[in-house]
Amino acid sequence: KQEVTQIPAALSVPEGENLVLNCSFTDSAIYNLQWFRQDPGKGLTSLLLIQSSQREQTSGRLNASLDKSSGRSTLYIAASQPGDSATYLCAVRWYGATNKLIFGTGTLLAVQP
Amino acid sequence: DGGITQSPKYLFRKEGQNVTLSCEQNLNHDAMYWYRQDPGQGLRLIYYSQIVNDFQKGDIAEGYSVSREKKESFPLTVTSAQKNPTAFYLCAISGTVTGELFFGEGSRLTVL
Repeated sequence: KQEVTQIPAALSVPEGENLVLNCSFTDSAIYNLQWFRQDPGKGLTSLLLIQSSQREQTSGRLNASLDKSSGRSTLYIAASQPGDSATYLCAVRWYGATNKLIFGTGTLLAVQP
Repeated sequence: DGGITQSPKYLFRKEGQNVTLSCEQNLNHDAMYWYRQDPGQGLRLIYYSQIVNDFQKGDIAEGYSVSREKKESFPLTVTSAQKNPTAFYLCAISGTVTGELFFGEGSRLTVL
């Protein structure tokens, strides 16, 4: 069964710290992987999309990496700010089922001022 | 994303009533999706549509219905057959080039 796991479920860090969020997936035959941010009561905002042929993507203070062989992706946030506080979700699309994204349950990040 | 509009933002329904959630997009994307989000469970796919007049069931389609009469619109009806309809409903779109998914702001349905 194709599954996506995010650990830990919650994380609290002081402002200014660099941090890494983890996403694990079964079955290495992925089509792409996408990271999202969700603020309370809001929709999901796309942060980064990594295609199967890519190893990483960067946007501002965010860097997402992909290691298909180990079934892992990480989202690196540099110099965290209180405004980064949100739930971060990763989602995977696999070959053979490219119409569907499977979501992890997310990591709730709190950046303390 | 400003190109995807969901309405209403909040909706209250009595048991036994059908309700329809609206999703409209002006980004000319082919694929549209409906997801349901419950606390601690992540997002689950209800229905998706790749082209006009065609749609497919997702993982939890029972008690829901959709239509795709226009490319811009993909309404979701929550019927009285849905046993636990209280949830946050999210509409999404994706283009065919990258497959990147973009979401609307969501509709929160509460059954009284």
